[in-house]
Amino acid sequence: DAGVTQSPTHLIKTRGQQVTLRCSPISGHKSVSWYQQVLGQGPQFIFQYYEKEERGRGNFPDRFSARQFPNYSSELNVNALLLGDSALYLCASSLQREVVDEQFFGPGTRLTVL
Amino acid sequence: GQSLEQPSEVTAVEGAIVQINCTYQTSGFYGLSWYQQHDGGAPTFLSYNALDGLEETGRFSSFLSRSDSYGYLLLQELQMKDSASYFCAGETGANNLFFGTGTRLTVIP
Repeated sequence: DAGVTQSPTHLIKTRGQQVTLRCSPISGHKSVSWYQQVLGQGPQFIFQYYEKEERGRGNFPDRFSARQFPNYSSELNVNALLLGDSALYLCASSLQREVVDEQFFGPGTRLTVL
Repeated sequence: GQSLEQPSEVTAVEGAIVQINCTYQTSGFYGLSWYQQHDGGAPTFLSYNALDGLEETGRFSSFLSRSDSYGYLLLQELQMKDSASYFCAGETGANNLFFGTGTRLTVIP
């Protein structure tokens, strides 16, 4: 079975631009979470969606938004990009609603903001 | 506030046992998970402690003590492939998973 997939793999943007990252969960998984990981640090929780509804939100500004589609895939949008948004963006899916449930991570999207 | 503190680096010999500690200060704590991440790779789930005590999965064991706000990951029979970063993570309520500072484990021959 295919694991979690994310696109694109790498992305270069300039300050002020907008970006959309995409994630397809493992088949049958209804929960998708998004994380930001800066080099040398642990992942930071951004959002969790379950059954197309936002169930959890981390401490990120309103420039960050997400949604989940009927097929449980998800998009993360970041507006008005800042240099500090440069990071690895990870998507994770799980069977259950609870985020402590085993999460399966995708390979990530490496975003560079110039 | 929310914080999960881990030692930044640990070095151990192949075949040995190593313990990676995680101390936390958080409210509404719902359990402790552990993830492994190799350089350039994605985190992979290792274990989860919902209750106090020891959970064993093959060469890996994880322990939680809520009264001490403390947990650890125990790796036995270390192999070179175990060299990676290890993160503890806790759910603080409202479905917000909070990762620790991470421990970089280096296994030497």
